[in-house]
Amino acid sequence: DGGITQSPKYLFRKEGQNVTLSCEQNLNHDAMYWYRQDPGQGLRLIYYSQIVNDFQKGDIAEGYSVSREKKESFPLTVTSAQKNPTAFYLCASSIRSMEGAVFGNEQFFGPGTRLTVL
Amino acid sequence: RKEVEQDPGPFNVPEGATVAFNCTYSNSASQSFFWYRQDCRKEPKLLMSVYSSGNEDGRFTAQLNRASQYISLLIRDSKLSDSATYLCVVNWPGGFKTIFGAGTRLFVKA
Repeated sequence: DGGITQSPKYLFRKEGQNVTLSCEQNLNHDAMYWYRQDPGQGLRLIYYSQIVNDFQKGDIAEGYSVSREKKESFPLTVTSAQKNPTAFYLCASSIRSMEGAVFGNEQFFGPGTRLTVL
Repeated sequence: RKEVEQDPGPFNVPEGATVAFNCTYSNSASQSFFWYRQDCRKEPKLLMSVYSSGNEDGRFTAQLNRASQYISLLIRDSKLSDSATYLCVVNWPGGFKTIFGAGTRLFVKA
């Protein structure tokens, strides 16, 4: 079955630690995204990648880092510099990037990772 | 004005009712619009894409009004299973930018 997987489902971190959230897709999508969702709020874009070995900052990239070494994988590292990391993290992918595209840019989401800082 | 704005609700409706949600957006050049459904503590799932004036899928109808810069989602014959948060999503032109509304909460009661 094609889809997007994220792991772990729940993650607990002590203050001052870096943690890495996994995101893998087997949909052969070019574009991948990381979002953060806080209670009662819309999704906010952290980073996105339109192609392997390339990625751009979103609206709230401070305290986060990513890599895109393979088309299928887009891991997100939450560093100790992120002031308020407790949130629901969602990874998504689309056939092509939103940039300049009108059709075919629907995003499909993984099940998410809930990160809690203790 | 917010870039994408939705009525947060909640909307409380009985089974079988028809309910409509509106979503307004501020960029008149936007061309791609989507409705997603999000269940409590789950990921958003694509419900419908709206590229032209509208789209229909069973009990769900989405309409786009470019002149007034809003999209709507109509749910007919509401089911208990329709209870969820509905997210409006708008693609900003001229570079990568996708704006998610904060969502409209729907409760369908027996």
